[in-house]
Amino acid sequence: GAVVSQHPSWVICKSGTSVKIECRSLDFQATTMFWYRQFPKQSLMLMATSNEGSKATYEQGVEKDKFLINHASLTLSTLTVTSAHPEDSSFYICSASPGEAYEQFFGPGTRLTVL
Amino acid sequence: GQSLEQPSEVTAVEGAIVQINCTYQTSGFYGLSWYQQHDGGAPTFLSYNGLDGLEETGRFSSFLSRSDSYGYLLLQELQMKDSASYFCAVREFGDYKLSFGAGTTVTVRA
Repeated sequence: GAVVSQHPSWVICKSGTSVKIECRSLDFQATTMFWYRQFPKQSLMLMATSNEGSKATYEQGVEKDKFLINHASLTLSTLTVTSAHPEDSSFYICSASPGEAYEQFFGPGTRLTVL
Repeated sequence: GQSLEQPSEVTAVEGAIVQINCTYQTSGFYGLSWYQQHDGGAPTFLSYNGLDGLEETGRFSSFLSRSDSYGYLLLQELQMKDSASYFCAVREFGDYKLSFGAGTTVTVRA
């Protein structure tokens, strides 16, 4: 149980294009989903927290208009990187939780490369 | 805000025991979690401590002392597949977000 999937697992795009990453909880309802970014050899940095049906809460320094997050259902959250640039190349990981008191379950991650 | 400190690297031989320490500073501590991450993979949950004491899960154990703002992950009977990065992460009351430490790279040698 507690499986989280991400799609795509990797993506290469040209600078200036937008990329959408999906995060799905497969066998539980996720009231809260989290989006992280991880650069090589570094730790996971939380980008935003999304709760189903409400606006995402972004961490300080994360541009809301660049990283659009939608959590339209209890099993799906999407992260759209708009007008991607090479510096946005990173490993994007989502996690999902069935509730505040529960552990977070991580997806397999999406490796984004912007040329 | 929160801050966590853990060693950057540890090297040990197969069969050995490794202890990864984690000290933290946080305003509203809720619990300490440990995650394992292999190169190119996502973090996988290892252990959680909400109360003081030792939690044992197979070869891995985790300890917490809230009064000392300190915890550790103990890896026993090390195997080559245990070579990975290990992160401690703190949860706070109120938002239940995870704040990760910088990670400890464990290298297991034959």
